[in-house]
Amino acid sequence: GNSVTQMEGPVTLSEEAFLTINCTYTATGYPSLFWYVQYPGEGLQLLLKATKADDKGSNKGFEATYRKETTSFHLEKGSVQVSDSAVYFCALSGTGNTPLVFGKGTRLSVIA
Amino acid sequence: DTAVSQTPKYLVTQMGNDKSIKCEQNLGHDTMYWYKQDSKKFLKIMFSYNNKELIINETVPNRFSPKSPDKAHLNLHINSLELGDSAVYFCASSSWEGGLSYNEQFFGPGTRLTVL
Repeated sequence: GNSVTQMEGPVTLSEEAFLTINCTYTATGYPSLFWYVQYPGEGLQLLLKATKADDKGSNKGFEATYRKETTSFHLEKGSVQVSDSAVYFCALSGTGNTPLVFGKGTRLSVIA
Repeated sequence: DTAVSQTPKYLVTQMGNDKSIKCEQNLGHDTMYWYKQDSKKFLKIMFSYNNKELIINETVPNRFSPKSPDKAHLNLHINSLELGDSAVYFCASSSWEGGLSYNEQFFGPGTRLTVL
């Protein structure tokens, strides 16, 4: 079945540091890939998405590229801020209204 | 306007009780979901409804019974609550646009259930 593996946290960075959170997936067919973010005490928000190979999703300075050859969708940001502190989830979905399959989440703490 | 709302936000109850969580979406979506997030933040699908019909039930105990009175609502009723049911429950919705379109899901704020 479909699965997502993302790097375990927690990740602690200083402000303005470079961020990478690794995500790899196993899926049949052509899944869509997502990064969701959960700020403390809140629900999940879609951060970015990519629906086909080589697509790059981007939002709020975050980027991730759908790499079919390495089955990866790593999240990157060039300069993190304290306000980026949250839990980040990589997820995939098959076609249609199939439920999302989530990775285990990576907690990011950014210190000033 | 809140897109996906859930009530209550917090629910504290005793073992053995029966409780319900409500979810409503005003996005016009035709598919709704319940996810469970455990204490380690792991998220897993519980149920999925499309046009009020159950399409996915992921080995959830019979004590959990979803009900969808219309496309905009998906409620979760839990009987005989157990300690292990303590978690955050998220409702989500999406719209099936046909073909190979992606499935962006919109999440509610979550309901933190604590069973004592």
